Amino acid sequence: EVQLVQSGAVVVQPGGSLRVSCVASGFNFGAFSMHWVRQPPGKGLEWIALISGPGDNTFYVDSVKGRFTISRDNSENSLYLQMSSLKTEDTAFYYCAKDRTGTTWSFDSWGRGTLVTVSS
Amino acid sequence: EFVVTQSPATLSLSPGESATLFCRVSQSVTNNIVWYQQKPGQVPRLLIFDASNRATGVPARFSGTGSGTDFTLTISSLEPEDLAVYYCQQRYNWPPTFGPGTRLEIK
Repeated sequence: EVQLVQSGAVVVQPGGSLRVSCVASGFNFGAFSMHWVRQPPGKGLEWIALISGPGDNTFYVDSVKGRFTISRDNSENSLYLQMSSLKTEDTAFYYCAKDRTGTTWSFDSWGRGTLVTVSS
Repeated sequence: EFVVTQSPATLSLSPGESATLFCRVSQSVTNNIVWYQQKPGQVPRLLIFDASNRATGVPARFSGTGSGTDFTLTISSLEPEDLAVYYCQQRYNWPPTFGPGTRLEIK
């Protein structure tokens, strides 16, 4: 069974930084691209970042480019999202998601989400 | 960026009825549409990929059709557990984008 276990909720001030993590099990982690998708409370879904299986390719949505960094440690089956220069509009549930097969830009397993609240 | 729209915003139907949800993309995505279900308080769940292929474990009551710019998710014989927001997503053009969702209410 695929499991994606995410780190706990955090509160950070505007301009601050934090790292969200996701530990995977139940599949060959290094063979799949992984994504971060976010959802402001009560609102819709927004894809924000992808990292390829080996970790040699990354893509970001424009709204987070230059501020967020996606990374992975395949030896630890772990995915990370380093977030900096945070804005109030970054407040959201952040989901790690497994690509359906390789890199299809579709998501067949999701973590339970990490609520990131950016507030002074 | 491809813009994805969904209609209706909210749909209220009774158990046993059929629901038809629409998804439209601003440019052709051939068949590269994905549907997700998000029940209250839960994470999204993959329902349909490539417009018409059910994901593992998804009941046959869920079916997807369409190509180009217009797509449909049909849920037959509605059950109370189908209460959810349904999102479509295009994966043809980078960045992948989601529609705003259709909220399905069960009377």
